[in-house]
Amino acid sequence: ESQLVESGGGLVKPGGSLRLSCAASGFTFSNAWMSWVRQAPGKGLEWVGRIKRESDGGTADYAAPVKGRFTISRDDSKNTLYLQMNSLEAEDTALYYCCSGNSGLGDAFDVWGQGTRVTVSS
Amino acid sequence: DIQMTQSPSTLSASVGDTVTITCRASQSISGLLAWYQQKQGKAPKLLIFKASSLKSGVPSRFSGSGSGTEFTLTISSLQPDDFATYYCQQFGGTFGQGTKVETK
Repeated sequence: ESQLVESGGGLVKPGGSLRLSCAASGFTFSNAWMSWVRQAPGKGLEWVGRIKRESDGGTADYAAPVKGRFTISRDDSKNTLYLQMNSLEAEDTALYYCCSGNSGLGDAFDVWGQGTRVTVSS
Repeated sequence: DIQMTQSPSTLSASVGDTVTITCRASQSISGLLAWYQQKQGKAPKLLIFKASSLKSGVPSRFSGSGSGTEFTLTISSLQPDDFATYYCQQFGGTFGQGTKVETK
Protein backbone atom coordinates (compact mmCIF):
# COMPACT_ATOMS: atom_id res chain seq x y z
CA GLU A 1 0.00 0.00 0.00
CA SER A 2 1.33 3.43 -0.96
CA GLN A 3 1.91 5.66 2.03
CA LEU A 4 3.28 9.11 2.86
CA VAL A 5 4.08 10.17 6.41
CA GLU A 6 4.93 13.79 7.20
CA SER A 7 6.84 14.98 10.24
CA GLY A 8 8.62 18.06 11.55
CA GLY A 9 5.72 20.42 12.15
CA GLY A 10 5.43 22.56 15.25
CA LEU A 11 5.28 26.04 16.72
CA VAL A 12 7.79 28.57 15.41
CA LYS A 13 8.19 32.32 15.84
CA PRO A 14 7.76 34.73 12.93
CA GLY A 15 11.01 34.94 11.00
CA GLY A 16 12.02 31.46 12.10
CA SER A 17 12.73 28.31 10.12
CA LEU A 18 11.41 24.77 10.06
CA ARG A 19 12.12 21.68 7.97
CA LEU A 20 9.37 19.22 7.18
CA SER A 21 10.01 15.66 6.08
CA CYS A 22 7.84 13.19 4.23
CA ALA A 23 8.69 9.47 4.24
CA ALA A 24 7.34 7.46 1.32
CA SER A 25 6.69 3.74 1.09
CA GLY A 26 4.81 1.28 -1.09
CA PHE A 27 5.63 2.89 -4.44
CA THR A 28 8.68 3.84 -6.50
CA PHE A 29 9.47 7.21 -4.93
CA SER A 30 12.25 8.02 -7.38
CA ASN A 31 9.76 7.91 -10.28
CA ALA A 32 7.31 10.36 -8.72
CA TRP A 33 6.93 14.11 -9.01
CA MET A 34 6.35 15.10 -5.40
CA SER A 35 4.45 18.11 -4.09
CA TRP A 36 3.60 19.98 -0.92
CA VAL A 37 0.09 21.33 -0.40
CA ARG A 38 -1.04 23.34 2.61
CA GLN A 39 -4.36 24.19 4.18
CA ALA A 40 -4.73 27.10 6.56
CA PRO A 41 -7.32 26.68 9.33
CA GLY A 42 -10.81 26.79 7.83
CA LYS A 43 -9.47 27.52 4.35
CA GLY A 44 -9.03 25.69 1.07
CA LEU A 45 -6.13 23.77 -0.40
CA GLU A 46 -3.10 25.75 -1.56
CA TRP A 47 -0.40 24.24 -3.74
CA VAL A 48 3.01 25.13 -2.27
CA GLY A 49 5.38 23.61 -4.79
CA ARG A 50 6.72 20.43 -6.37
CA ILE A 51 9.93 18.72 -7.34
CA LYS A 52 10.34 16.64 -10.45
CA ARG A 53 12.00 13.25 -10.49
CA GLU A 54 15.72 13.24 -11.22
CA SER A 55 15.22 11.77 -14.68
CA ASP A 56 13.13 14.87 -15.54
CA GLY A 57 15.77 17.22 -14.18
CA GLY A 58 14.95 17.16 -10.47
CA THR A 59 13.99 20.84 -10.52
CA ALA A 60 11.48 22.49 -8.21
CA ASP A 61 8.69 25.01 -8.82
CA TYR A 62 7.01 27.13 -6.18
CA ALA A 63 3.83 29.11 -5.63
CA ALA A 64 4.32 32.86 -5.54
CA PRO A 65 3.66 33.31 -1.78
CA VAL A 66 6.54 31.01 -0.82
CA LYS A 67 9.02 31.55 -3.63
CA GLY A 68 12.41 32.59 -2.28
CA ARG A 69 11.55 31.45 1.26
CA PHE A 70 10.77 27.75 0.85
CA THR A 71 12.94 25.04 -0.71
CA ILE A 72 11.81 21.58 -1.73
CA SER A 73 14.36 18.77 -1.98
CA ARG A 74 14.35 15.01 -2.14
CA ASP A 75 16.60 12.11 -1.18
CA ASP A 76 15.68 9.17 -3.36
CA SER A 77 18.08 6.89 -1.44
CA LYS A 78 15.94 7.50 1.66
CA ASN A 79 12.57 7.77 -0.12
CA THR A 80 12.13 11.09 1.61
CA LEU A 81 10.86 14.51 0.55
CA TYR A 82 11.74 17.70 2.38
CA LEU A 83 10.37 21.22 2.72
CA GLN A 84 12.76 23.79 4.16
CA MET A 85 10.80 26.83 5.29
CA ASN A 86 12.62 30.05 6.12
CA SER A 87 11.47 33.56 7.05
CA LEU A 88 8.18 32.14 8.25
CA GLU A 89 5.16 34.41 8.52
CA ALA A 90 1.86 34.10 10.36
CA GLU A 91 0.23 33.45 6.96
CA ASP A 92 2.26 30.22 6.68
CA THR A 93 0.28 28.69 9.55
CA ALA A 94 -1.36 25.62 8.06
CA LEU A 95 -1.56 21.87 7.84
CA TYR A 96 1.09 20.79 5.34
CA TYR A 97 0.43 17.75 3.16
CA CYS A 98 2.94 15.79 1.14
CA CYS A 99 1.51 14.41 -2.13
CA SER A 100 2.63 12.11 -4.91
CA GLY A 101 1.79 13.02 -8.48
CA ASN A 102 1.02 10.17 -10.85
CA SER A 103 2.09 10.81 -14.43
CA GLY A 104 -0.31 8.14 -15.64
CA LEU A 105 -3.14 10.13 -14.08
CA GLY A 106 -2.18 13.45 -15.62
CA ASP A 107 -0.04 14.30 -12.57
CA ALA A 108 -3.07 14.11 -10.27
CA PHE A 109 -2.22 13.53 -6.61
CA ASP A 110 -3.25 9.96 -5.89
CA VAL A 111 -1.36 9.55 -2.62
CA TRP A 112 -1.60 12.03 0.27
CA GLY A 113 -0.05 12.03 3.72
CA GLN A 114 -2.01 12.79 6.87
CA GLY A 115 -0.41 16.22 7.18
CA THR A 116 1.82 17.93 9.71
CA ARG A 117 0.76 21.15 11.41
CA VAL A 118 2.84 24.31 11.34
CA THR A 119 1.95 27.24 13.57
CA VAL A 120 3.78 30.55 13.21
CA SER A 121 3.17 32.73 16.22
CA SER A 122 5.07 34.80 18.73
CA ASP B 1 0.27 31.63 -13.13
CA ILE B 2 -2.90 29.76 -13.98
CA GLN B 3 -5.86 30.67 -11.75
CA MET B 4 -8.69 28.23 -11.06
CA THR B 5 -12.18 29.52 -10.22
CA GLN B 6 -14.82 27.19 -8.82
CA SER B 7 -18.54 27.84 -8.49
CA PRO B 8 -20.60 27.78 -6.45
CA SER B 9 -18.65 28.09 -3.20
CA THR B 10 -21.50 26.40 -1.32
CA LEU B 11 -24.20 24.13 -2.65
CA SER B 12 -27.23 22.97 -0.64
CA ALA B 13 -28.71 19.68 -1.78
CA SER B 14 -30.67 16.64 -0.66
CA VAL B 15 -29.97 12.94 -0.90
CA GLY B 16 -30.93 11.77 -4.39
CA ASP B 17 -30.26 15.13 -6.05
CA THR B 18 -27.93 15.58 -9.00
CA VAL B 19 -25.40 18.33 -8.38
CA THR B 20 -22.93 20.05 -10.68
CA ILE B 21 -19.80 22.00 -9.76
CA THR B 22 -17.99 24.17 -12.29
CA CYS B 23 -14.30 24.95 -12.52
CA ARG B 24 -12.85 27.54 -14.85
CA ALA B 25 -9.16 27.97 -15.68
CA SER B 26 -7.64 31.35 -16.55
CA GLN B 27 -6.03 29.77 -19.61
CA SER B 28 -6.31 26.49 -21.45
CA ILE B 29 -5.09 23.49 -19.50
CA SER B 30 -6.12 20.97 -22.13
CA GLY B 31 -7.64 18.07 -20.16
CA LEU B 32 -5.18 18.06 -17.27
CA LEU B 33 -7.70 18.65 -14.53
CA ALA B 34 -8.37 16.64 -11.38
CA TRP B 35 -11.20 16.66 -8.84
CA TYR B 36 -10.80 15.83 -5.15
CA GLN B 37 -13.16 15.24 -2.27
CA GLN B 38 -12.23 16.31 1.24
CA LYS B 39 -14.09 15.50 4.40
CA GLN B 40 -13.60 17.36 7.66
CA GLY B 41 -10.31 16.48 9.33
CA LYS B 42 -9.19 14.19 6.51
CA ALA B 43 -6.74 14.44 3.63
CA PRO B 44 -8.26 15.00 0.19
CA LYS B 45 -9.10 12.00 -1.95
CA LEU B 46 -8.69 11.86 -5.74
CA LEU B 47 -11.96 11.26 -7.60
CA ILE B 48 -11.38 12.23 -11.23
CA PHE B 49 -8.21 12.70 -13.28
CA LYS B 50 -7.59 13.98 -16.81
CA ALA B 51 -10.94 15.81 -16.57
CA SER B 52 -13.17 12.79 -17.09
CA SER B 53 -11.42 9.59 -15.96
CA LEU B 54 -12.78 8.02 -12.81
CA LYS B 55 -10.20 6.78 -10.35
CA SER B 56 -10.48 3.08 -9.62
CA GLY B 57 -12.81 2.43 -6.69
CA VAL B 58 -14.68 5.73 -6.96
CA PRO B 59 -18.46 5.28 -7.37
CA SER B 60 -19.78 5.76 -10.89
CA ARG B 61 -22.22 8.46 -9.72
CA PHE B 62 -19.23 10.80 -9.93
CA SER B 63 -18.40 12.06 -13.41
CA GLY B 64 -16.28 14.79 -14.92
CA SER B 65 -16.32 16.59 -18.23
CA GLY B 66 -14.84 19.55 -20.03
CA SER B 67 -11.73 20.68 -21.83
CA GLY B 68 -9.76 23.83 -22.45
CA THR B 69 -10.85 26.20 -19.69
CA GLU B 70 -14.28 24.92 -18.59
CA PHE B 71 -14.82 21.78 -16.53
CA THR B 72 -17.61 20.25 -14.49
CA LEU B 73 -17.97 17.64 -11.77
CA THR B 74 -21.38 16.00 -11.57
CA ILE B 75 -22.63 13.83 -8.74
CA SER B 76 -25.70 11.88 -9.72
CA SER B 77 -28.09 10.69 -7.02
CA LEU B 78 -26.25 12.31 -4.12
CA GLN B 79 -25.58 9.93 -1.23
CA PRO B 80 -25.12 10.78 2.48
CA ASP B 81 -21.40 10.03 2.17
CA ASP B 82 -21.03 12.69 -0.55
CA PHE B 83 -21.57 15.70 1.70
CA ALA B 84 -18.06 17.14 1.67
CA THR B 85 -15.91 19.83 0.06
CA TYR B 86 -14.76 19.38 -3.54
CA TYR B 87 -11.73 20.93 -5.21
CA CYS B 88 -10.53 21.10 -8.78
CA GLN B 89 -6.82 21.24 -9.59
CA GLN B 90 -4.91 21.96 -12.76
CA PHE B 91 -1.97 19.78 -13.79
CA GLY B 92 -0.61 19.04 -10.33
CA GLY B 93 -0.66 22.71 -9.42
CA THR B 94 -3.19 25.37 -8.51
CA PHE B 95 -6.44 24.40 -6.78
CA GLY B 96 -9.84 26.00 -7.05
CA GLN B 97 -11.17 27.57 -3.87
CA GLY B 98 -13.48 24.65 -3.13
CA THR B 99 -17.20 23.90 -3.16
CA LYS B 100 -18.88 22.74 0.01
CA VAL B 101 -21.83 20.43 -0.61
CA GLU B 102 -24.10 20.67 2.39
CA THR B 103 -27.47 19.29 3.41
CA LYS B 104 -30.44 21.38 2.35
